[in-house]
Amino acid sequence: SQQGEEDPQALSIQEGENATMNCSYKTSINNLQWYRQNSGRGLVHLILIRSNEREKHSGRLRVTLDTSKKSSSLLITASRAADTASYFCATLLKAGGFKTIFGAGTRLFVKA
Amino acid sequence: ETGVTQTPRHLVMGMTNKKSLKCEQHLGHNAMYWYKQSAKKPLELMFVYNFKEQTENNSVPSRFSPECPNSSHLFLHLHTLQPEDSALYLCASSQDLENGYTFGSGTRLTVV
Repeated sequence: SQQGEEDPQALSIQEGENATMNCSYKTSINNLQWYRQNSGRGLVHLILIRSNEREKHSGRLRVTLDTSKKSSSLLITASRAADTASYFCATLLKAGGFKTIFGAGTRLFVKA
Repeated sequence: ETGVTQTPRHLVMGMTNKKSLKCEQHLGHNAMYWYKQSAKKPLELMFVYNFKEQTENNSVPSRFSPECPNSSHLFLHLHTLQPEDSALYLCASSQDLENGYTFGSGTRLTVV
């Protein structure tokens, strides 16, 4: 497995439901970020959570970080069709210079 | 527009051609990045520049040559590419190496 793996690979829900995506990583991190990508366009930064933080909120988004389990989750509440996109977690590694490594992403489908 | 502009949006080139991708940001960011996104693979970090100095070359073949003349501009010079180099090339910038990224919309490159 690689640094930053999202789970599930794909998720299909109805509009109004909550969507939860998980990210696991292997090595110690400086911070963890979540991004959204629509249809092969550029990624949009959603939330950054630092290694000494446990939870952050931004609108309908809630991110948690458990450094003991090396995992993070992204919760989107009251999902909308417009939330349909791929979601990526990215971990900033400090060892050997700063590198941000992306996972393969979770593809979210929100049905209207 | 995100504040990071990539040109061209699409590029088709032959294996013997030389072309360049351009990335420009006027966000006052000090770090800039090139990532490669291939189908069904995680984003691959290629190069990192911080204050115009290259701080990371992630084992990228020499047929890809980056150039960062100032903190606002980043180029990726392409020469003698292979069909497997066909991908979406994403440029990003950040305030510093520890903050979230702002991505451009990418250049869709096809090598024929």
